[in-house]
Amino acid sequence: DTAVSQTPKYLVTQMGNDKSIKCEQNLGHDTMYWYKQDSKKFLKIMFSYNNKELIINETVPNRFSPKSPDKAHLNLHINSLELGDSAVYFCASSPSQGGVGSFFGQGTRLTVV
Amino acid sequence: GENVEQHPSTLSVQEGDSAVIKCTYSDSASNYFPWYKQELGKRPQLIIDIRSNVGEKKDQRIAVTLNKTAKHFSLHITETQPEDSAVYFCAASTGNNRLAFGKGNQVVVIP
Repeated sequence: DTAVSQTPKYLVTQMGNDKSIKCEQNLGHDTMYWYKQDSKKFLKIMFSYNNKELIINETVPNRFSPKSPDKAHLNLHINSLELGDSAVYFCASSPSQGGVGSFFGQGTRLTVV
Repeated sequence: GENVEQHPSTLSVQEGDSAVIKCTYSDSASNYFPWYKQELGKRPQLIIDIRSNVGEKKDQRIAVTLNKTAKHFSLHITETQPEDSAVYFCAASTGNNRLAFGKGNQVVVIP
């Protein structure tokens, strides 16, 4: 069983499109995160939810909208995709806030053309 | 907020030698310090972590040391093997907020 699974693994889309990435964790963790990893490998946190409540919202364009229907799921919807959105997006989860023991999903490589 | 810096950015070592990566952090309230290993095209994987009430922790060939006074912590890999080649990220957290990641170190083990 995959602990943190993301779908899709690869996503190629045109500028201006809207796309979603889904994430599910079966670890029973309370907190989930979205990170963006750019071409320079820097891991930057975007959002965090604790028990379905948004607790971290970094300086991210409002074209990005996370949704957590329950504590095991955290989805990311991106509107009006731009070239600069191309990156690898990682979902992660941890037992509680603060990122202690964070477990990462396998990543979604988004390419905007 | 917390600022974490890693040095050096790239480290090449001969197989069998030791590798040391050092990170510094800015927030004296940080109390949790993990290290992640990311192989090419894979997810970051937690390899070892340390809390601020401990000075050193070992797990087989990997160890982490923490100097709270100087606000730095280091990853030590002994008897390096080709499969140790990866990008290593350090991070710091106060435990009730976010993990702040360093920019990563590329470690290359030369056979």
